Amino acid sequence: DTAVSQTPKYLVTQMGNDKSIKCEQNLGHDTMYWYKQDSKKFLKIMFSYNNKELIINETVPNRFSPKSPDKAHLNLHINSLELGDSAVYFCASSQEVGAAYNEQFFGPGTRLTVL
Amino acid sequence: SQQGEEDPQALSIQEGENATMNCSYKTSINNLQWYRQNSGRGLVHLILIRSNEREKHSGRLRVTLDTSKKSSSLLITASRAADTASYFCATERSGGYNKLIFGAGTRLAVHP
Repeated sequence: DTAVSQTPKYLVTQMGNDKSIKCEQNLGHDTMYWYKQDSKKFLKIMFSYNNKELIINETVPNRFSPKSPDKAHLNLHINSLELGDSAVYFCASSQEVGAAYNEQFFGPGTRLTVL
Repeated sequence: SQQGEEDPQALSIQEGENATMNCSYKTSINNLQWYRQNSGRGLVHLILIRSNEREKHSGRLRVTLDTSKKSSSLLITASRAADTASYFCATERSGGYNKLIFGAGTRLAVHP
């Protein structure tokens, strides 16, 4: 059973298009995250939701819009894709904000290539 | 800004040897975590050490934390080829909504 799953695994698209990445966790966690990993493997947090409420919103272009329909799902929609958006996007989850043990569980990643 | 910075950036050793990776950070933290990433995969949590702890063990892993120097080290003893991966430290600040700041990682290659 996959704890944190993402779809699609690979996404190749043209500049200017709009695309979405989906994430689901079956761990019963309250908190979910989106990270971006660039070509140099540097991993940076983008957003975090706790029980469907946005709690972390880093300096990310507003072309990126997360949506959490319920606490098990956190999707990422990207408008007007640019070349610089090419990266691997990871979804993660953890128990709850302020939990004593805040291990994060990561999905397998979505490799986005913008042509 | 980047909180954690690992060194070395890359490490190549033979099976059976020990591997030591270091991490430095800049601000006060609640805890520090180490993650492993195999090529083309997501990150896997290895160990968490709280700011009031100095050393922690898990199997062949040993993590130390020196809050006065704002640094941590990860030691993998008796390394195996399967340990080949990138290793990242991540820090969580107090009151930070579980926000983790990752370093750039150390790429470890263990040769049979």
